[in-house]
Amino acid sequence: AQKVTQAQTEISVVEKEDVTLDCVYETRDTTYYLFWYKQPPSGELVFLIRRNSFDEQNEISGRYSWNFQKSTSSFNFTITASQVVDSAVYFCALSGTNQGGKLIFGQGTELSVKP
Amino acid sequence: GAGVSQSPSNKVTEKGKDVELRCDPISGHTALYWYRQSLGQGLEFLIYFQGNSAPDKSGLPSDRFSAERTGGSVSTLTIQRTQQEDSAVYLCASSLGGGGYTDTQYFGPGTRLTVL
Repeated sequence: AQKVTQAQTEISVVEKEDVTLDCVYETRDTTYYLFWYKQPPSGELVFLIRRNSFDEQNEISGRYSWNFQKSTSSFNFTITASQVVDSAVYFCALSGTNQGGKLIFGQGTELSVKP
Repeated sequence: GAGVSQSPSNKVTEKGKDVELRCDPISGHTALYWYRQSLGQGLEFLIYFQGNSAPDKSGLPSDRFSAERTGGSVSTLTIQRTQQEDSAVYLCASSLGGGGYTDTQYFGPGTRLTVL
């Protein structure tokens, strides 16, 4: 079965705090991709990152970083020095060789960054 | 460049009526997807078009839902005899389409459907 779990429904932090959003996945596919999307209050899903199952290198992009650990089936997302503009719902998603093109999404984590 | 566009942005209809939702993918993208986002169910896959291949309809919740893609570009999602449980945001996405599960999907702003 394909499943993505984002156990944190809501997180609230104060600006400049670091915050980590957790994502755990289940898949029987040997080759798969993991994604993170951001959904700000405007509603549009914005692509942030894609990672394939063979690449376990951590990725850093500005204040954003991603930690992919195949051993624990996790793909966690950290925002350093959070800003109010980071307030949004963040979705982790999975696609695999036996799923065609469909994305399996987690339930999302709503991040609120307060000034 | 232009992203995925969807129309209308909001649609209010009465129970039992038919509705059509439109999606214009990013130019040059051969794959197109429909998803539904509702409070109780999160983000659910509905249907996937890849080039001229038969669409993957495995996510359509009932036979009241159908979609077509004309000329390999614009897509229309049709819901017949709408029910209140169809109320949701319908999201369209497109991708280059070269690699199926490896593709990055880019989403439109969605159509918020409210069935009274």
